[in-house]
Amino acid sequence: AQSVTQLGSHVSVSEGALVLLRCNYSSSVPPYLFWYVQYPNQGLQLLLKYTSAATLVKGINGFEAEFKKSETSFHLTKPSAHMSDAAEYFCAVSGGARAGNNRKLIWGLGTSLAVNP
Amino acid sequence: DTGVSQNPRHKITKRGQNVTFRCDPISEHNRLYWYRQTLGQGPEFLTYFQNEAQLEKSRLLSDRFSAERPKGSFSTLEIQRTEQGDSAMYLCASSPLDSGQGLGGYTFGSGTRLTVV
Repeated sequence: AQSVTQLGSHVSVSEGALVLLRCNYSSSVPPYLFWYVQYPNQGLQLLLKYTSAATLVKGINGFEAEFKKSETSFHLTKPSAHMSDAAEYFCAVSGGARAGNNRKLIWGLGTSLAVNP
Repeated sequence: DTGVSQNPRHKITKRGQNVTFRCDPISEHNRLYWYRQTLGQGPEFLTYFQNEAQLEKSRLLSDRFSAERPKGSFSTLEIQRTEQGDSAMYLCASSPLDSGQGLGGYTFGSGTRLTVV
């Protein structure tokens, strides 16, 4: 069984400040992990993914995330927030190579990021 | 190919009516997923196709819901006798079989927002 916990449903930062969005997972098999971003009234866009290669993953728009197996975490960071980063962010987990063909995603509840001028 | 296309974008229907949504995936993608997202929640898995075969169906999907993917191309999701609790964003996503950069990541459509009044 798999699950995802996103700590903090709302995060507010100032423009130019560090962004840190937290995600912890539970998985009975080595996982694949993902961060998606959703802008209002739009679908979900993949920011980055961990699929058992490098533990530090770089994504689009300056975001990166580090897979820490010992902490079962996959926190999302960005050194300097921009106003355009304001959106809903979702962490998701799926079974990895051992999970067979199904790549069903299990999602966290999301973190709403506000960026203040 | 411009991505995953979903139609209609918005649907308002009266309780008890039937509705059908369409998803056109990226043409070379073998896998197609349907998810449902309600306000303030992460997406919930509904069902999954590999080519034309429906391989998994969530217990969330009552027998009022049916999905098809004839010929392994576009997919339809039908809801019969709609209820107010069916109001949500219905998201479609597609992905290739695991290979190269396709490993583990989806491309989502913009969703169909259903409002049952």
